[in-house]
Amino acid sequence: ELKVEQNPLFLSMQEGKNYTIYCNYSTTSDRLYWYRQDPGKSLESLFVLLSNGAVKQEGRLMASLDTKARLSTLHITAAVHDLSATYFCAVDGGAQKLVFGQGTRLTINP
Amino acid sequence: DGGITQSPKYLFRKEGQNVTLSCEQNLNHDAMYWYRQDPGQGLRLIYYSQIVNDFQKGDIAEGYSVSREKKESFPLTVTSAQKNPTAFYLCASTPQGQGTLHFGNGTRLTVT
Repeated sequence: ELKVEQNPLFLSMQEGKNYTIYCNYSTTSDRLYWYRQDPGKSLESLFVLLSNGAVKQEGRLMASLDTKARLSTLHITAAVHDLSATYFCAVDGGAQKLVFGQGTRLTINP
Repeated sequence: DGGITQSPKYLFRKEGQNVTLSCEQNLNHDAMYWYRQDPGQGLRLIYYSQIVNDFQKGDIAEGYSVSREKKESFPLTVTSAQKNPTAFYLCASTPQGQGTLHFGNGTRLTVT
């Protein structure tokens, strides 16, 4: 059974700092997704990572995938308040069924 | 504009009543999904459908039912057999084989 674990689950940081969210998964998969959720809202797709060594960047967010280690990271550079949200990774468990991590609630303080 | 529409946004029901949540998409996507989200937790898959007139159980299907009579529509019924139905329900869709889910805005169901 595929399990996906994120850490940390809660992260409070100051504007301008860098930090990384980790996503570990238990069985082989060739697709990993990152989503963002604002409070009370739906999920917004950020990145899809399709192969070992894949790296995607959008603004202050950069995601990478190491399929051998079964690990993905979401790196935040010089955080700004607008990035405060809950971030989820999700792994393709086959037949397009995604298994989600618990989410990382990120709070960025001025 | 294309998208996924879930209705209603908020739904209140008494215990013991069945309730149906609507999900409509005009993206021409083949696959549709229902997820449940509880506070502080990730999403868990309830049911999914890859083609019309066919659907499969996800990880937490007990107490739920679905239908897929049209490509655009994938309603979810929360039955009285669901022991803890209060949650945020999200519908999603994707083109066949693409993987990236597009989500609706969700329905927050409260059962008292």
